Amino acid sequence: DSGVTQTPKHLITATGQRVTLRCSPRSGDLSVYWYQQSLDQGLQFLIQYYNGEERAKGNILERFSAQQFPDLHSELNLSSLELGDSALYFCASSAGGHIGGYTFGSGTRLTVV
Amino acid sequence: KNEVEQSPQNLTAQEGEFITINCSYSVGISALHWLQQHPGGGIVSLFMLSSGKKKHGRLIATINIQEKHSSLHITASHPRDSAVYICAVRGYGGSQGNLIFGKGTKLSVKP
Repeated sequence: DSGVTQTPKHLITATGQRVTLRCSPRSGDLSVYWYQQSLDQGLQFLIQYYNGEERAKGNILERFSAQQFPDLHSELNLSSLELGDSALYFCASSAGGHIGGYTFGSGTRLTVV
Repeated sequence: KNEVEQSPQNLTAQEGEFITINCSYSVGISALHWLQQHPGGGIVSLFMLSSGKKKHGRLIATINIQEKHSSLHITASHPRDSAVYICAVRGYGGSQGNLIFGKGTKLSVKP
């Protein structure tokens, strides 16, 4: 157990639907990062939150949004899902905004049918 | 051209062999990470480097900032080392705090 908890582990949903992925960071870590891993694009950075505030944005679609709550857990919301959104979604946490190593969660495998 | 290039893409080795995986990058970085992804999908952070060399067990990671190059070495390889090894860099400025990933090197160690 890495200390970063992601739920659910697997999710199957239909096109056009909306899902929420959840991440609880390692105890004491203030930063949460979301990544998407697809077969054709590999791993891509989506978004970072630090202590509740958005810190950096990567290749995140407008249909996707995220937030970090006061207890530091984070949610990634994916809406109007398309087949191409099928991927592994990883959350990672670190102690600071730009220092320290990263600890990854085990990922959520999203399948859009 | 990708900002982070890894070589080789695939590597097959016999148990006990010394293995080297290379990573070259084209952007200014504040740190470089080596990650290991097992067949089940989970990702483990192996090293974070900003200069020099780090060692952990049979794994050694080096970085040359001037040449924008890093290597991951595995000594006395074992079948349990079979995994995808991913190099990722953390940039400066607007990209600070996020990672740019290489495509990964798939390592298979045969007994």
